Amino acid sequence: AQSVTQPDIHITVSEGASLELRCNYSYGATPYLFWYVQSPGQGLQLLLKYFSGDTLVQGIKGFEAEFKRSQSSFNLRKPSVHWSDAAEYFCAVGAGGGNKLTFGTGTQLKVEL
Amino acid sequence: GAGVSQSPSNKVTEKGKDVELRCDPISGHTALYWYRQRLGQGLEFLIYFQGNSAPDKSGLPSDRFSAERTGESVSTLTIQRTQQEDSAVYLCASSLTDREGYTQYFGPGTRLTVL
Repeated sequence: AQSVTQPDIHITVSEGASLELRCNYSYGATPYLFWYVQSPGQGLQLLLKYFSGDTLVQGIKGFEAEFKRSQSSFNLRKPSVHWSDAAEYFCAVGAGGGNKLTFGTGTQLKVEL
Repeated sequence: GAGVSQSPSNKVTEKGKDVELRCDPISGHTALYWYRQRLGQGLEFLIYFQGNSAPDKSGLPSDRFSAERTGESVSTLTIQRTQQEDSAVYLCASSLTDREGYTQYFGPGTRLTVL
């Protein structure tokens, strides 16, 4: 069965600083990988996804993620964080083309002004 | 275009009562999913509908949980004889199979509190 680990429960960065959120997955076949963001009281918004092809994927709001098969990782990055990026970020892996997503426990991002 | 909608947004009930949660998927999306999010945790898969195929119920935690979907439209998640451990946010998502795979779009959720 697939699993996802987000080792950082909380991260605090200063506005304008760079950001990297870690995600490691376990899955026996080619993974379908996703990053979602959840703001307080909101549903999950898709930031980006990886299905195949180029291992560096671009998403919305200036986020990008890199799939590294050798490290079983799909880390999320942003070069310059904005205060509005404060939220909870979830990494997910999908079996069967993206069905039955398995989520990590999330990373809570705090942005200091 | 409207996104996934869920109702009610909040539901408070007493232990032992039944509750129904509703999900309206994005029009034309063939697949629909229910997840549960307990406080401070990630999402747990509950059930998945794809077209007219039999639903994948492998994530339902007990026989008190059931879900129905009419065609490719509305879905209802029913929890019978609610328990305090059922308190959570219940999220619905829908997706359209594209050439590569599924991308799930989520609704705002229903926050269920069982007293």
